[in-house]
Amino acid sequence: DAGVIQSPRHEVTEMGQEVTLRCKPISGHNSLFWYRQTMMRGLELLIYFNNNVPIDDSGMPEDRFSAKMPNASFSTLKIQPSEPRDSAVYFCASSFGGTGGYTFGSGTRLTVV
Amino acid sequence: GIQVEQSPPDLILQEGANSTLRCNFSDSVNNLQWFHQNPWGQLINLFYIPSGTKQNGRLSATTVATERYSLLYISSSQTTDSGVYFCAVESQAGTALIFGKGTTLSVSS
Repeated sequence: DAGVIQSPRHEVTEMGQEVTLRCKPISGHNSLFWYRQTMMRGLELLIYFNNNVPIDDSGMPEDRFSAKMPNASFSTLKIQPSEPRDSAVYFCASSFGGTGGYTFGSGTRLTVV
Repeated sequence: GIQVEQSPPDLILQEGANSTLRCNFSDSVNNLQWFHQNPWGQLINLFYIPSGTKQNGRLSATTVATERYSLLYISSSQTTDSGVYFCAVESQAGTALIFGKGTTLSVSS
């Protein structure tokens, strides 16, 4: 298996623009997680899905952030409009029912200027 | 929610030395994982270890769930072991992995 695949690897955008991050989980995994990593706050959970249904989005910082999982093999995290304080590394992870552990993608480094 | 504390925050070693990293958590857990974040930012899963002991080469881990702590042992450290080591836990009442602040390890030759 190719693991969890995220795209793009790097994104530089101007303040106010829409940003879409993409994630393909490991085939057969039924849980998908979006995390954000910053120096100040460390690794924090944004949202997670179970069987394509959002279960907990309490970590989404504000309404500018939204996430979807239209099918078992694809998820997006969208920021609209983006702000400089959104600059961070965004990780996607997947697991099978939480057992056996999570596998993380390589992350997307987002810079908003 | 569950609290995760890692110690020490920073560790500097000479190549060949051994080390022990600790993770304390505040509640019963369903899941506990150790990750290594390498200098390129990748999060590599080292162990899935909600209880018991596991070994993988020079690395081993032990979780004593009843006492709410886990230990990661690194023996004969190498420069490639440098990076940040994270402990992450999912409580029995929780929803997803919660990460500690990490231990930054620097191994010099």
